[in-house]
Amino acid sequence: GQSLEQPSEVTAVEGAIVQINCTYQTSGFYGLSWYQQHDGGAPTFLSYNALDGLEETGRFSSFLSRSDSYGYLLLQELQMKDSASYFCAVNGAGGFKTIFGAGTRLFVKA
Amino acid sequence: DAMVIQNPRYQVTQFGKPVTLSCSQTLNHNVMYWYQQKSSQAPKLLFHYYDKDFNNEADTPDNFQSRRPNTSFCFLDIRSPGLGDAAMYLCATSSSWVGGNQPQHFGDGTRLSIL
Repeated sequence: GQSLEQPSEVTAVEGAIVQINCTYQTSGFYGLSWYQQHDGGAPTFLSYNALDGLEETGRFSSFLSRSDSYGYLLLQELQMKDSASYFCAVNGAGGFKTIFGAGTRLFVKA
Repeated sequence: DAMVIQNPRYQVTQFGKPVTLSCSQTLNHNVMYWYQQKSSQAPKLLFHYYDKDFNNEADTPDNFQSRRPNTSFCFLDIRSPGLGDAAMYLCATSSSWVGGNQPQHFGDGTRLSIL
C-alpha cells in the first residue's frame, strides 16, 4: 500500500523553530512536496525535494532522505500567520499521482 | 496574475441532482487535477488530465466524471450526488516535467453541500 505519516498536531511559540516530520511508503517515488493550507483556503506549495539533502527557502527548509523514506519541514522564526495545516505529499508512480499525508495542524502561540 | 479559478465558491445541490463544478486556468499548464477534501482530511486525488489524456484513480466512484474541452478549462460532473459527496473540491494545475510535476497550483476550491 501507499501511506504517509506525519504528526496530527504541533504547538509552538512565536519566534521558535518547529520541525514537522513525514515518513512515507509508496510504490514509485519522484519527490516529496510540502503544502501549507490555512482554514478555508487552498493548499499553497512550499517546497519540493527530489534529491537527498536540505532545501532552504527563506524561513522554511525541507529535508529528504530517500534511503530512510523520510523528510521534514523546518519552520524558523515562527509567526502567528504560520498557524495552518501542513501536508507532505509524494509524487508516486508515473509522477502525476500525488498522495497527500493527513496533515499536521500547527498552532503558533504568542 | 496567472491563476486557477474555480466557480462557484459555494454550491448547494439536492440529493441526487446532477451538479457541475468548473475550473479555469491562465497558467497554460498541461496537467489538471481534481481533488476531494473533506473536513480535517488530506486532499484525495479523483483524476487528472495530462493534456487530453484522462486518468481516473481506481477508487474514484463512477458517480464522478470529468471533462476538459480545452487547455484552460476542466469540469467535474457529479451525476447523482449523495450526502457523502459533501466536501471541498479542489482543482489544481501543473506543468509536466520528467519526474517532478511540482509545484501544483490550486484554486480556492468549491465547497459542495448536499441537501
